[in-house]
Amino acid sequence: LAKTTQPISMDSYEGQEVNITCSHNNIATNDYITWYQQFPSQGPRFIIQGYKTKVTNEVASLFIPADRKSSTLSLPRVSLSDTAVYYCLVGGIPIYNQGGKLIFGQGTELSVKP
Amino acid sequence: EAGVTQFPSHSVIEKGQTVTLRCDPISGHDNLYWYRRVMGKEIKFLLHFVKESKQDESGMPNNRFLAERTGGTYSTLKVQPAELEDSGVYFCASSYKKGTEAFFGQGTRLTVV
Repeated sequence: LAKTTQPISMDSYEGQEVNITCSHNNIATNDYITWYQQFPSQGPRFIIQGYKTKVTNEVASLFIPADRKSSTLSLPRVSLSDTAVYYCLVGGIPIYNQGGKLIFGQGTELSVKP
Repeated sequence: EAGVTQFPSHSVIEKGQTVTLRCDPISGHDNLYWYRRVMGKEIKFLLHFVKESKQDESGMPNNRFLAERTGGTYSTLKVQPAELEDSGVYFCASSYKKGTEAFFGQGTRLTVV
């Protein structure tokens, strides 16, 4: 499986746009890129998934360059409630890696300040 | 619709004791997963049930851990005897079909002292 690398932590202020970049240099042709969000004292929650170019939903946008060796999760106008750990996962089956189980990296701890 | 529920939310036990964690998946979800995060480490997969059958238990750390899912409904994860390194947060997740989105419970924080 492709290994992912993310910044360990990021700080932001309310109202700002936050971009979290994930490197996945060994991504395979059939791999999808999936991001999860985890609030304190809760389990991870799926937020967005993509294969190439750009994907947008009500929570975030995901930008994937042509070489697919990295991806950027963009959170528009963050609020205090966006403080969480964000995980980037790469795998071959839509939404899930290896037919079921998820392979988590260390994630990025985002702290949003007033 | 009720989400994935885990019991207890916290457990503090002494080394050598036994603890049983419970997970109630979303009704109708055949796939059930256990994960854990120990202090300072990443969330790691433990095992995967499809109904009552163990599909993949490659992540189970050793034979002190026993997972069951009798009747294909709720699942239990027993640790016996517990060791200090078992401390961490244990997550359960369920999905309708393999390859579809799984929903996580809030986790059980286990502390072994």
